[in-house]
This record gives sequence, structure tokens and C-alpha cells, in this order.
Amino acid sequence: DVKVTQSSRYLVKRTGEKVFLECVQDMDHENMFWYRQDPGLGLRLIYFSYDVKMKEKGDIPEGYSVSREKKERFSLILESASTNQTSMYLCASSLDRLPYEQYFGPGTRLTVT
Amino acid sequence: GEDVEQSLFLSVREGDSSVINCTYTDSSSTYLYWYKQEPGAGLQLLTYIFSNMDMKQDQRLTVLLNKKDKHLSLRIADTQTGDSAIYFCAESRRTGRRALTFGSGTRLQVQP
Repeated sequence: DVKVTQSSRYLVKRTGEKVFLECVQDMDHENMFWYRQDPGLGLRLIYFSYDVKMKEKGDIPEGYSVSREKKERFSLILESASTNQTSMYLCASSLDRLPYEQYFGPGTRLTVT
Repeated sequence: GEDVEQSLFLSVREGDSSVINCTYTDSSSTYLYWYKQEPGAGLQLLTYIFSNMDMKQDQRLTVLLNKKDKHLSLRIADTQTGDSAIYFCAESRRTGRRALTFGSGTRLQVQP
């Protein structure tokens, strides 16, 4: 079974803190993704990576950065957390070929106070 | 554009059929997907359909694709309380980025 794990299910941070969200997949997938999910807005793509050290901005990259030093691990970094970054963060991975089936982790609910 | 639109809520009785609808705008879409999200969990791929097909059936699930109207639907036969979840429609494009574009999700509530 494909497994995508995320480092925390729940996280509470203060405004201005630097936050790291970690994601690991065990299926040797080339592509990895970070989304945020907000009620009524569905999933919005923050960043994705198609190879080690490669990354591309998604639809809402402002306030975020990413790191992919190893194929199985993709980190999302909030340089200075703000209250409008309170959200559910979902990581996913896929092979780099159609149909690009994405496999998701369980999500991290981040609250910034 | 890359908009994918769904209605936000659907309520059905246990044993009835559910039909969840989705419209998309990108005519270059190659695959269209249905994902399910149960409370407190990530998304789980239910099924997908290639854009040159118009129907796909998998046990209780039937996917219908109308390319002319850019309309996708998911029918769940004999809906059970365990089907209560949020259902997301998504599309991939023929060229360009590997990421999918998701709709806002339809919350399906199944009443006993």
C-alpha cells in the first residue's frame, strides 16, 4: 500500500514563529505536493516538486517555502506564521506519468494564534 | 481557466442513489478524478476516467462524462451511512503541470 505520512496531525503555533511541516512517502514517487484545505475553497496548491531539489510554485505560494533534499521527503516551511495561515495542510505524492494518481497523507491541522 | 465547480451539499436517504455533479472549464483535461474525504482524514482516490471515455463503472460507483458540456458526475448506488463524506472532483491537463485542480468538494450526508 502507498503510504504518505505527515509529521503532526495537530499543531498550534504563535504568530511570527517559523513552522516546519514534514511529509514522507514510501512509494518512490517523483512528484510531491502541498495543498491547503479551507471550508468552501477546496484544495489549493501551494507548491509542488517533481524531483529532488526541484520545485514549482502553485496557486498560493506567498508566505510559504519548500524543501526537497531527498526523494521521499517534502517539507513545507512557514517563514513567519500568521493567523491567516491557520488551515488544514495536506501532502500528496504521485508517479510522474498519467494518470497522475495522487495519494494523500492524513493532513496537519495548523492553528496560528 | 482551470475552474472546477461542485455544489456544496447533498443529502440522501440510506438505500437511495446519490448523484454528485461537477463542471470543469479546461477542454484540455486528460483525466478526471473523484476523491473521497472522510472526517479527519486525507483524500482517498475513488476512481478516475480518461477523457475519451464517457462512462466507467466500478461496483456501486458509476462515473459519467459529458465532454461537450464539460460535466462529470458520480453516482453511488444503494448509498450507505459509511458513504457520508466530502467528495472532490479533480482534473489533470494534457500538458503543463503535474498537479491536479480540485473542486471545492460536495458534502454528502446519508440519513438512516
